[in-house]
Formats: sequence, structure tokens, C-alpha cells
Amino acid sequence: GESVGLHLPTLSVQEGDNSIINCAYSNSASDYFIWYKQESGKGPQFIIDIRSNMDKRQGQRVTVLLNKTVKHLSLQIAATQPGDSAVYFCAENPSGTYKYIFGTGTRLKVLA
Amino acid sequence: SQTIHQWPATLVQPVGSPLSLECTVEGTSNPNLYWYRQAAGRGLQLLFYSVGIGQISSEVPQNLSASRPQDRQFILSSKKLLLSDSGFYLCAWGQGINYGYTFGSGTRLTVV
Repeated sequence: GESVGLHLPTLSVQEGDNSIINCAYSNSASDYFIWYKQESGKGPQFIIDIRSNMDKRQGQRVTVLLNKTVKHLSLQIAATQPGDSAVYFCAENPSGTYKYIFGTGTRLKVLA
Repeated sequence: SQTIHQWPATLVQPVGSPLSLECTVEGTSNPNLYWYRQAAGRGLQLLFYSVGIGQISSEVPQNLSASRPQDRQFILSSKKLLLSDSGFYLCAWGQGINYGYTFGSGTRLTVV
């Protein structure tokens, strides 16, 4: 079936280093993607999005890269801070639908 | 500005008891509404979504049902809870295709 998956379930990085969280998606019809951050006991929060007509989008300290050829998304966090510790989900929106398909998430641990 | 309210925050219910979780959205009209469930340490599973009053789409067969009695109100129900219904339930709203969701704060349901 169609799914969004993540390569690493847990990622540990030193404070101040850059983090890269990866995601593979399988639905070639998806044309919109979002990264969400979920802190413990809270609902996911929107971080950054990207449409399929783009390869890269930058926000404040975050960058999302989209490689449609290999159906791969990544989230890069610059100068990772303790407050970045959370579970990160990528989500894909198959074209023409109102639904998002979420992966299982990657837990990011920031080491002091 | 738009806000989403979800309650209660936590709930402990015995097996076989009924369930009613409520979600309301303020500051927008005709939102798309969603119910997701998240098992401990897992990803988000779409349960139901609605694009209008009385319109409910079910994603997975289960012991739950959803209703949308008003434009900005979405209710998740069960007549008889099962142990497997335990989890973190998240309501979300969105506006149209290719726009992200905004999630509520979630309800942690424990069925005992």
C-alpha cells in the first residue's frame, strides 16, 4: 500500500550540530509535503512545507529538500538546540485528496 | 485567528463504556476536519475526515464512529470501548487541498 516511511527511528546529535532527518514516500502522485514536530504529550506542529514543483525550501534554521526522482524528503535543522528535541513526522498529500499520510516518525535527541 | 479546541485532555474509561470526544474550531468556516489516533511511540493513523456537515469518510474499519453536527464541530464516539482503543487521539483542521493541518492538543485515552 501507499506509505510514508522514515529511515531512522532515533537520531542523536550534539547541541550546535546540524541534524538531518530523512523520509521516503511511495506515492508518486503526492504533490505536497509537510514536516511536523511533536513534543511529548502534545499535538504535532507545522514546521515547513514544500510543493512538488520545488526542490528546496528554507525557513528559520530549517530546510526541506525534495528529491522526486527517488521519492525522498529530508529535513535539515541548523545549529540544533535542546528545544529541537521531539519526534519529527513527514507527511504527504496525494494529489487531489484531502488526506495526509504520515510516517512513523523520527525521534531527535539533542545531547548537551 | 483560527483556534482548535479538543477535550478532554486525558480520559480513563472501562472496557465496554461509551466514548465521546469533541473538537471545535474557531475563526474559520467550512474547515476540513480530521480525527487521528496515535499509539504509544507510533505514527499517526487517520480515522475519519469530513469536508462538510454530515459528510464523514472512514479510513479504517473499527469500533469508532464520527459525526459532524455543526460546521466547526467534530465528534468521535464509541458505543463500547475496547482495550485496543487506547491511544492518543488528535483532531485537526485544514482548509482545502495542499494546505497543512493544524492539530489540537490531543486526548490521551486509556481503556482499562
